Amino acid sequence: AQSVAQPEDQVNVAEGNPLTVKCTYSVSGNPYLFWYVQYPNRGLQFLLKYITGDNLVKGSYGFEAEFNKSQTSFHLKKPSALVSDSALYFCAVRDYRDDKIIFGKGTRLHILP
Amino acid sequence: EAQVTQNPRYLITVTGKKLTVTCSQNMNHEYMSWYRQDPGLGLRQIYYSMNVEVTDKGDVPEGYKVSRKEKRNFPLILESPSPNQTSLYFCASSSSHRGLNSPLHFGNGTRLTVT
Repeated sequence: AQSVAQPEDQVNVAEGNPLTVKCTYSVSGNPYLFWYVQYPNRGLQFLLKYITGDNLVKGSYGFEAEFNKSQTSFHLKKPSALVSDSALYFCAVRDYRDDKIIFGKGTRLHILP
Repeated sequence: EAQVTQNPRYLITVTGKKLTVTCSQNMNHEYMSWYRQDPGLGLRQIYYSMNVEVTDKGDVPEGYKVSRKEKRNFPLILESPSPNQTSLYFCASSSSHRGLNSPLHFGNGTRLTVT
C-alpha cells in the first residue's frame, strides 16, 4: 500500500536561511508526488508536483523540491526563508495505478524573524 | 474566480441530528473528494467521486454518505453525527483525475463540532 511520511512535526528556521521540509514515500509503482501549503483558516494550496522528468521541480513562491528515487524522498526546499512562509506543509503521493492520493501528517514550518 | 465553495464554515450540532455540508466547484472538474483533518493524523480521505453518479469510499468512510447528482456539487451527509466526527472537513476537486495528475483545489474548510 502506498504511504507518505513527514518525519518532522515542526521545523524552525531563521529568516533568510535555507529551509528543507522532509518527505519520504512508498508506492509500488511510479510515484506522483505533490506538496501543498496550508495557511491558518484556509484550505490547502498546491505548491508543486513531480510526475516525470527533471528531478528538481520548481513551484510557487520560490519553493522547489528534489525527487530522489533511490532514497524515495521528495524534500521541499527554499534557498532563503521568509517569515510569510510560516505555515503547515503537506506532502502527498499517488500511485499512478490508483485513484487515491495519500497525504502525510504535515510539517509546521516556523520562520523566525 | 475559480474556486471550491464549502458551507457552512462552522457548524455546532448535537449527536444524532442529521446534517449536510455542501461543496460546489465552478471549474467543471470531474474529480471531487472529501477529507477530514485531525491533529497528528493529517488529511484522511472520506469519499471521492470520479464523475457524476460515480462515488467510492476513501480510507475513513464510516458514518458518512455522499452523492454526485451534478458535476459541480458533492455534498457530505452525516446521517447520525457522533462526537468522534468532530473535525475540520475539506472538499477538493481536480480535472480529469486519472492520467493527468492535475493538482487538487481545496475549499476553505468546515469546522464541525458534535456535542
